[in-house]
Amino acid sequence: DAGITQSPRHKVTETGTPVTLRCHQTENHRYMYWYRQDPGHGLRLIHYSYGVKDTDKGEVSDGYSVSRSKTEDFLLTLESATSSQTSVYFCAIRKGQGERKTQYFGPGTRLLVL
Amino acid sequence: SQQGEEDPQALSIQEGENATMNCSYKTSINNLQWYRQNSGRGLVHLILIRSNEREKHSGRLRVTLDTSKKSSSLLITASRAADTASYFCATDVQGNEKLTFGTGTRLTIIP
Repeated sequence: DAGITQSPRHKVTETGTPVTLRCHQTENHRYMYWYRQDPGHGLRLIHYSYGVKDTDKGEVSDGYSVSRSKTEDFLLTLESATSSQTSVYFCAIRKGQGERKTQYFGPGTRLLVL
Repeated sequence: SQQGEEDPQALSIQEGENATMNCSYKTSINNLQWYRQNSGRGLVHLILIRSNEREKHSGRLRVTLDTSKKSSSLLITASRAADTASYFCATDVQGNEKLTFGTGTRLTIIP
């Protein structure tokens, strides 16, 4: 399972509150990703990181920020949560090089914004 | 729009039958990957096929890739109840550090 944990696993929050989700890995992988999964949309990339303090935006980055101060932790922050951010959030790490890059996923965080 | 689009969106078959699902994509790729997601869980990598490969096997899984048609298929033979899950294709484009996932096929195996 690539030693990936996510916390919290479930969260209910109110519109306008800040929320931070944590992804932790134990295998020292350089690349980490945050996705959201919604019915009818599959997985959509929010942000990714290619090293400590090195991050880039994905296709649905508006309303989200990330930070990576240590190799093992990648944090996703919703500065002011909205109901449209109700979703399941998955973290992933990348293994492999060149034509053989694959991703391994954490168990997910279910977020409900009321 | 999604780089990978799976077809069908949902599929129900009897246990023991073969299941085939398809993926189409739009741009040139390094490789195409298939993932499985059981209900309430994260995605699990199943198999990767590189752009210069046409067919690949792993246990009961068979993946084909047709780069001229920009399409791939995943065949699961002799299906089991435990194969009930959603299956996603994902494409890796050269020079891009990201995978692009399709919307998935929901497979139900009827005992």
